[in-house]
Amino acid sequence: EVQLVESGGGLVKPGGSLRLSCVASGFTFTSYSMNWVRQAPGKGLEWVSTITSTSDYIYYADSVKGRFTISRDNAKSSLYLQMNTLRVEDTAVYYCARGAITFDSWGQGTLVAVSS
Amino acid sequence: AIQLTQSPSSLSASVGDRVTITCRASQGITNAIAWYQQSPGKPPKLLIYDAYILQSGVPSRFSGSGSGTDFTLTISSLQPEDFATYYCQQFYSYPYTFGQGTKLEIK
Repeated sequence: EVQLVESGGGLVKPGGSLRLSCVASGFTFTSYSMNWVRQAPGKGLEWVSTITSTSDYIYYADSVKGRFTISRDNAKSSLYLQMNTLRVEDTAVYYCARGAITFDSWGQGTLVAVSS
Repeated sequence: AIQLTQSPSSLSASVGDRVTITCRASQGITNAIAWYQQSPGKPPKLLIYDAYILQSGVPSRFSGSGSGTDFTLTISSLQPEDFATYYCQQFYSYPYTFGQGTKLEIK
């Protein structure tokens, strides 16, 4: 069974940093691109970033470019999102999702709250 | 960035009804569209990809169609578990984008 488990969320002040993690199991992690997608409270889905299986290609939404960094450790079947210079508008549930184009498996999400 | 506009934003229907949700892209995206279902407090679930291909395990009452700029998701006979929010997503080009969502409620 495919499992994606996110962690690392929490309450942080504007301008602060957080590092999210997503541990994958039940599939060959090295065969898949991975993604972060977020959802602000009561709002829709927003794609954040994608990293290919060997980290050759990385893409970001304009809203996070220059502040967030996606990475992965294939030996640990883990995906990361380093979030710096956080803003109030970054408050959301952050999901990791599997897939290069469509996202066929999702984690349960981790809540990031940015507030003073 | 490619914008996706879903209609309607919300919809009331009854069990057994046939419903259709539309997603319009701001430019042609061939068939690079996916549909997701999200129930409250849950992550999204992939229903359809490549505009019409049913994801494994998804009931056949769900179907998708369209190409270019106009796409539809149809549920042929609503079941109680289908009352949720539905999103389209384009994967034609980065940045990937989602529609704003359609909330399907029980009448």
